[in-house]
Amino acid sequence: DGGITQSPKYLFRKEGQNVTLSCEQNLNHDAMYWYRQDPGQGLRLIYYSQIVNDFQKGDIAEGYSVSREKKESFPLTVTSAQKNPTAFYLCASSNPRGGAETQYFGPGTRLLVL
Amino acid sequence: QKEVEQDPGPLSVPEGAIVSLNCTYSNSAFQYFMWYRQYSRKGPELLMYTYSSGNKEDGRFTAQVDKSSKYISLFIRDSQPSDSATYLCAMKGLNYGGSQGNLIFGKGTKLSVKP
Repeated sequence: DGGITQSPKYLFRKEGQNVTLSCEQNLNHDAMYWYRQDPGQGLRLIYYSQIVNDFQKGDIAEGYSVSREKKESFPLTVTSAQKNPTAFYLCASSNPRGGAETQYFGPGTRLLVL
Repeated sequence: QKEVEQDPGPLSVPEGAIVSLNCTYSNSAFQYFMWYRQYSRKGPELLMYTYSSGNKEDGRFTAQVDKSSKYISLFIRDSQPSDSATYLCAMKGLNYGGSQGNLIFGKGTKLSVKP
């Protein structure tokens, strides 16, 4: 089955701790994205990557970091600098060469602060 | 003015009703329009995709785009309890690459279809 997987489903973070959220896709998509979803806020773009070894900040990148060493993988690290990390995190991918860049989403990771 | 406006609802309808969900936007460069359905605690799934103006139908779902009014709609006929979800509109321009190429999402409308 082709698709996007995210792990873990739930993640708990302690004060001052960095945590990493995993995102893997086997759709052979070039572009990958991380969004944060809060109640009433919709989807906000954290980081995106259109090609391996390159990534760009989105609208709310502060307190987050990413890497894109492989086409299939785009992990997101929530650093201790992110003071309000509790949210639902969604990873997406798209194939720009398809024209519309329709994004396909993973199942999400819910991050909670202890 | 936000780039994309979407009434958050909640919207509650009886089973079998016709549902109309809408978004307005301000950027005339938008050319691609999408609707996503998101069940509670799940990732959004692509429901409908439309390029430029016009209508597109898929089963009980119809997407309409009126670029002159900067207004898009999603109609659901014969609504079912399984349609209960949050519906997100999304759109983008023709540009590829850079922030101009990214999708802009509405905040979502929460729909509840009562049996």
